[in-house]
Amino acid sequence: GNSVTQMEGPVTLSEEAFLTINCTYTATGYPSLFWYVQYPGEGLQLLLKATKADDKGSNKGFEATYRKETTSFHLEKGSVQVSDSAVYFCALSEGETSGSRLTFGEGTQLTVNP
Amino acid sequence: DGGITQSPKYLFRKEGQNVTLSCEQNLNHDAMYWYRQDPGQGLRLIYYSQIVNDFQKGDIAEGYSVSREKKESFPLTVTSAQKNPTAFYLCASSMRRRGAGANVLTFGAGSRLTVL
Repeated sequence: GNSVTQMEGPVTLSEEAFLTINCTYTATGYPSLFWYVQYPGEGLQLLLKATKADDKGSNKGFEATYRKETTSFHLEKGSVQVSDSAVYFCALSEGETSGSRLTFGEGTQLTVNP
Repeated sequence: DGGITQSPKYLFRKEGQNVTLSCEQNLNHDAMYWYRQDPGQGLRLIYYSQIVNDFQKGDIAEGYSVSREKKESFPLTVTSAQKNPTAFYLCASSMRRRGAGANVLTFGAGSRLTVL
C-alpha cells in the first residue's frame, strides 16, 4: 500500500536559518503530493502541492519539488521565522477524484527560536 | 466566511459512554472525512463519505460510527467499543470533481476527546 515517511523531529532552528524537512513516499501509481501545516491547537492547512513529476509547489516562502526518481517531496525554506513554528505533514493522494484518500506522514514538529 | 465547524472543542467522558462529535461545513463540498490524530502517529482515516447517505470505512473504523443524512453534516460517534478513544479528532471536506484540486482537504479546528 501507499506510505509516507518524514524525517524524525522535533527540529529546532534559529530565526533566518535554512529549513529542510525530508519526505519520501511509496505509491503504486502517480500520486499527487502535499504539505500541510498545523499550528498549535488548530486543524491542518494546505501549505503547497504538486500533482506530477518535476512540479514545484510553493507558498509563503516554502518550496517542494516532486522528484519521481527519488520518490521524494522535501520541504524547504530559505529563512525561517518564529511564526513558522508548527507541525508539518507530508501527504499523498491515491487518485484524482473527490473522496480519494490521503495518506499522511507522521508529522515533523518545527520550533524556531528568536 | 465558509469553513468547517467542529464541536465541542474539548470533551470529557467516562469510560463506557458513547459520545458524538459534530462536524458542519458550509463550503458546499461533497466529500467529508474523519481523521484521528495521536502524538507521533500522524493522521489516520476513520471514515469518509463522498455523497449523502453513503460512507466508507477508513483504516481504523472499529469502535466508531458515522452518518451522512445531510450534505453539510458528518457526525462521528465514538462508541464504548473503541478501546482507546482519547485523541484529537479532525474533520475535513473536499470538492467533488476530478483533477488536481479534488484531493485538497479543508480541515476543521478539531475536537479533543479525553476519556477519564
